[in-house]
Amino acid sequence: DGGITQSPKYLFRKEGQNVTLSCEQNLNHDAMYWYRQDPGQGLRLIYYSQIVNDFQKGDIAEGYSVSREKKESFPLTVTSAQKNPTAFYLCASTRGGTYGYTFGSGTRLTVV
Amino acid sequence: EDQVTQSPEALRLQEGESSSLNCSYTVSGLRGLFWYRQDPGKGPEFLFTLYSAGEEKEKERLKATLTKKESFLHITAPKPEDSATYLCAVRSNYGGATNKLIFGTGTLLAVQP
Repeated sequence: DGGITQSPKYLFRKEGQNVTLSCEQNLNHDAMYWYRQDPGQGLRLIYYSQIVNDFQKGDIAEGYSVSREKKESFPLTVTSAQKNPTAFYLCASTRGGTYGYTFGSGTRLTVV
Repeated sequence: EDQVTQSPEALRLQEGESSSLNCSYTVSGLRGLFWYRQDPGKGPEFLFTLYSAGEEKEKERLKATLTKKESFLHITAPKPEDSATYLCAVRSNYGGATNKLIFGTGTLLAVQP
């Protein structure tokens, strides 16, 4: 079955480390998104990509970086510049038009 | 600026006690309103898309309706397995990102047996 796979499910980061969250989809969707979810807040957009080799900053891009070298993959790197990275990270994709998003199962990142 | 507000923040129901969740929105040209269900520790699961005022969609015990300013998610005779957070989102072109969804903070629903 087609879907979005996020890995790992849980990730622990030490202070000063960069970590990379994986997002892979086999839905043949052009557009992919990274959201951050914190308790009591809505999903906030970090980065999005509407086509391979192109991506744009979302509302809270500082301290994060992405790449889109393949249609299927949209990894997110949480850099040491992100001061409060502990959160639940969600990757999504859409075929566009009138369709909504399909979400992955999320990665919970904790700073230790 | 486009905005989505959901109420109540949390709702506790007895099994079989019907109720409604509210999603109020302001958007420059609605291009779709979406309802999602999210279980703890998981990604949101798509429920409905609504596009125009007066539109209604149903799925099992859930019915979503849309007006020009808000959407309701009606839950009829809920069961404990309906317990989850329900998220509302609107599609926006704000900031130049086509297909961007703006999410509300969700309603946490607990259905007690």
